[in-house]
Amino acid sequence: DQQVKQNSPSLSVQEGRISILNCDYTNSMFDYFLWYKKYPAEGPTFLISISSIKDKNEDGRFTVFLNKSAKHLSLHIVPSQPGDSAVYFCAASATQLTFGSGTQLTVLP
Amino acid sequence: DTGVSQDPRHKITKRGQNVTFRCDPISEHNRLYWYRQTLGQGPEFLTYFQNEAQLEKSRLLSDRFSAERPKGSFSTLEIQRTEQGDSAMYLCASSLAYGNNEKLFFGSGTQLSVL
Repeated sequence: DQQVKQNSPSLSVQEGRISILNCDYTNSMFDYFLWYKKYPAEGPTFLISISSIKDKNEDGRFTVFLNKSAKHLSLHIVPSQPGDSAVYFCAASATQLTFGSGTQLTVLP
Repeated sequence: DTGVSQDPRHKITKRGQNVTFRCDPISEHNRLYWYRQTLGQGPEFLTYFQNEAQLEKSRLLSDRFSAERPKGSFSTLEIQRTEQGDSAMYLCASSLAYGNNEKLFFGSGTQLSVL
């Protein structure tokens, strides 16, 4: 069973516009959520996180929103840059990190 | 560079052979994790250590897989009698665990191909 789901395998956005990546989860025990970015042939790199006691966390161009009632998480990148093109993984933690299947973001110049 | 280091980066082996991978975590980190990632999927948890103690193993970790962290520093993951289904990227991560909000730092992985 997939406890963390990223239903969009890919997303294309024009440079300078907003990228919105979505993630849904099913396990109510998850209390900490993270986004990782992955370039080809590299390991995932931590991007931003949010605790379940918050509904928003911001770090520069990156903002993560958490809607606990909907069990939904989103990552906003604004403005998007070509260097943001990568696979983005949503992850959630109760005891271990559980990852979604990823969304390939392509930012077009 | 004080990041997580994995060796080798790539490994090609024949079915039935044994392989061993090494991971050197960030030096002050007390937890070390092994994950496996296949194409189109996110990383899947295999096992983790706190210092030298192996605290949890996934049901994905068959008895052909064994992991060690002998002195609470580097770790090895061995796969015996490899099968084609073992072909994947094997990722190591480490963290300095405090409370529940734990960030994992990943290495670049070992890409295993079983022919």
